[in-house]
Amino acid sequence: EPEVTQTPSHQVTQMGQEVILRCVPISNHLYFYWYRQILGQKVEFLVSFYNNEISEKSEIFDDQFSVERPDGSNFTLKIRSTKLEDSAMYFCASSGPSGGANIQYFGAGTRLSVL
Amino acid sequence: DAKTTQPNSMESNEEEPVHLPCNHSTISGTDYIHWYRQLPSQGPEYVIHGLTSNVNNRMASLAIAEDRKSSTLILHRATLRDAAVYYCILISVYGNEKLTFGTGTRLTIIP
Repeated sequence: EPEVTQTPSHQVTQMGQEVILRCVPISNHLYFYWYRQILGQKVEFLVSFYNNEISEKSEIFDDQFSVERPDGSNFTLKIRSTKLEDSAMYFCASSGPSGGANIQYFGAGTRLSVL
Repeated sequence: DAKTTQPNSMESNEEEPVHLPCNHSTISGTDYIHWYRQLPSQGPEYVIHGLTSNVNNRMASLAIAEDRKSSTLILHRATLRDAAVYYCILISVYGNEKLTFGTGTRLTIIP
C-alpha cells in the first residue's frame, strides 16, 4: 500500500540553526500538507501546498518557515532559525486529486528537538 | 470551521464493540464527516468518512444521524491495537482543505 515517507525520524539541532524536514508524498497525490504536534497537545495545521504554491497557511507558519517541492517526489519544510518552541513532531500529509473526500495520508513524523 | 464535540476518554473491553460518539450540531449540508485516529507515537491515520448514509469499511462503521447533527464510529470488535485517540472532523466537499484536529477521544482497551 502506498505511504507517505518522512526523514529523518528524529532531528536534533541547536537553537538558531536551520533544519530541513523531508517528505515523500504518495506519488499521484496533488495536495501536500505539514502539521505539527507539540508533546501532549493537539495536531496543528501549518501549511498546505498545491500546484507549486502555498494554498493556505496558519499563524504558526511565519517567515521562519518555508516549503518547497524541489522535484517531482519530495516535499520539504525548512525552518530557517530554530527556536526552542519549535520542538515538536512534524507530520507531512498528502491527498489525491481535487474534489472527492480529501482523505489525507500522514507520514510517521519527524521528531524535532531544539536544544 | 464547524465544530465537533467528543468525550475526552472512553474505555472498552477487548473483543467487545465500541461506539465513539461525535456531536456536530452546526454541520452544513456540504460537510463530510471524517474520522481519523492516532495510535501512540504515530501520525494520524484515516479511518472512515461519510456524508449522509451509514458507511462500512474494513476498519469500522460510521452511523450518521438522520439530521446529521451527530455520528457514531463503531469498532465492531476492539483489539488492543485499537487503543488510540479518535478524531471526528468535518471537511467541506469543496476543495482539499486543512484538517482541524480537536482533542479527540482517547480510547483505552482493557485486556
